[in-house]
Amino acid sequence: QAGLTQPPSVSKGLRQTATLTCTGNSSNVGNQGALWLQQHQGHPPKLLSYWNNNRPSGISERLSASRSGDTASLTITGLQPGDEADYYCSAWDSSLSAWVFGGGTKLTV
Amino acid sequence: QVQLVESGGGVVKPGGSLRLSCAGSGFTFSDYYMNWIRQAPGKGLEWVSYISSSGSAMYYADSVKGRFTLSRDNAKNSLYLQMNSLRAEDTAVYYCVMVTANGLDYWGQGTLVTVSS
Repeated sequence: QAGLTQPPSVSKGLRQTATLTCTGNSSNVGNQGALWLQQHQGHPPKLLSYWNNNRPSGISERLSASRSGDTASLTITGLQPGDEADYYCSAWDSSLSAWVFGGGTKLTV
Repeated sequence: QVQLVESGGGVVKPGGSLRLSCAGSGFTFSDYYMNWIRQAPGKGLEWVSYISSSGSAMYYADSVKGRFTLSRDNAKNSLYLQMNSLRAEDTAVYYCVMVTANGLDYWGQGTLVTVSS
């Protein structure tokens, strides 16, 4: 199954802002939008944002998501050491009837 | 609260079989679609399979189609993944994932499958 495209790594300083991107096509990101997941080493992924800019309860307001066409973005402001993790985007692909993922972005703070 | 607990992982030789289980609690299991998503060591996430809430519809990734079979027993709040003809590239942590209106919402802790001679 075709995947989504994410940059492999992003590096930012403490209290700075990081913007992570995720590019798909009209069957996935451009259709229903994207999810964003955070994974710390040794732990399962955790849902951060769903369908473009909805946050589950308990997720920091420092995180915001958006979509423009076939590209989704996750912006994290006021970066903290705990934000250092792998970030994955995912979307439901209506033409494949499958969930597709990006390769993940390693965020270094 | 929602809990998903996987079991059944282990070491198996190439060509062998393994059956993974996922026990759900803290929610009405029969109301939700369920997935298996895997992660090879040091790699990204890969969707494997999902099953509808009733168990009437299943979808599989091309990489496992014809080798893996997904099923569920709503009376036992359990999800199963029968894995046959295992290959080295199936080595991964397998996560049981519940789908809600928010998408891939709840994840288990995962169970490690190692395919090695």
